[in-house]
Amino acid sequence: GAVVSQHPSWVICKSGTSVKIECRSLDFQATTMFWYRQFPKQSLMLMATSNEGSKATYEQGVEKDKFLINHASLTLSTLTVTSAHPEDSSFYICSARGGLAGGFGPGTRLTVT
Amino acid sequence: AQKITQTQPGMFVQEKEAVTLDCTYDTSDPSYGLFWYKQPSSGEMIFLIYQGSYDQQNATEGRYSLNFQKARKSANLVISASQLGDSAMYFCAMREGGNTPLVFGKGTRLSVIA
Repeated sequence: GAVVSQHPSWVICKSGTSVKIECRSLDFQATTMFWYRQFPKQSLMLMATSNEGSKATYEQGVEKDKFLINHASLTLSTLTVTSAHPEDSSFYICSARGGLAGGFGPGTRLTVT
Repeated sequence: AQKITQTQPGMFVQEKEAVTLDCTYDTSDPSYGLFWYKQPSSGEMIFLIYQGSYDQQNATEGRYSLNFQKARKSANLVISASQLGDSAMYFCAMREGGNTPLVFGKGTRLSVIA
């Protein structure tokens, strides 16, 4: 149980374009989803917390207009990186939680050229 | 202030030997949970073991055990009988009471040598 999927697993995009990453809870209802970013050889850093049906809460230093998070249903949250730049290249991981169930997605590796 | 401290950037261990990965934490919340995750080169976060702040006994999961010393605020991971497949990054994390996110330490890279 507590399976979380993420799509795509990797994506390459050109600078200035937008990229959408999906995070789905497959066998439980995720009332809360967390989005993390991990740069090479570093730890996971929380970007934002989203509760279903509410606006996301962003961590200090994370631009909410650049990283758009939508959590419109109990099984899906999306992270859209708008006007991506090379410095946004990173590994993005979601974590979904609902009641006692929870888990991490497998991550999305974003490369911006 | 760092909530989770992992002081060992890298560790080496001989195959079949035991290894301890250190983790100390800082919280004033009486209710919290401590987690260990393994992250291989693929990037996925693999849950290993969990210890609740009110748990009386140290958690164990197969070859993994957590040496929980509440007064010292430490939660070291012990891996027994190391295998080559144990080579990976290991992260200690904490969640304080309520529906809060996990906070991670900087991680320890474990290399198992044949």
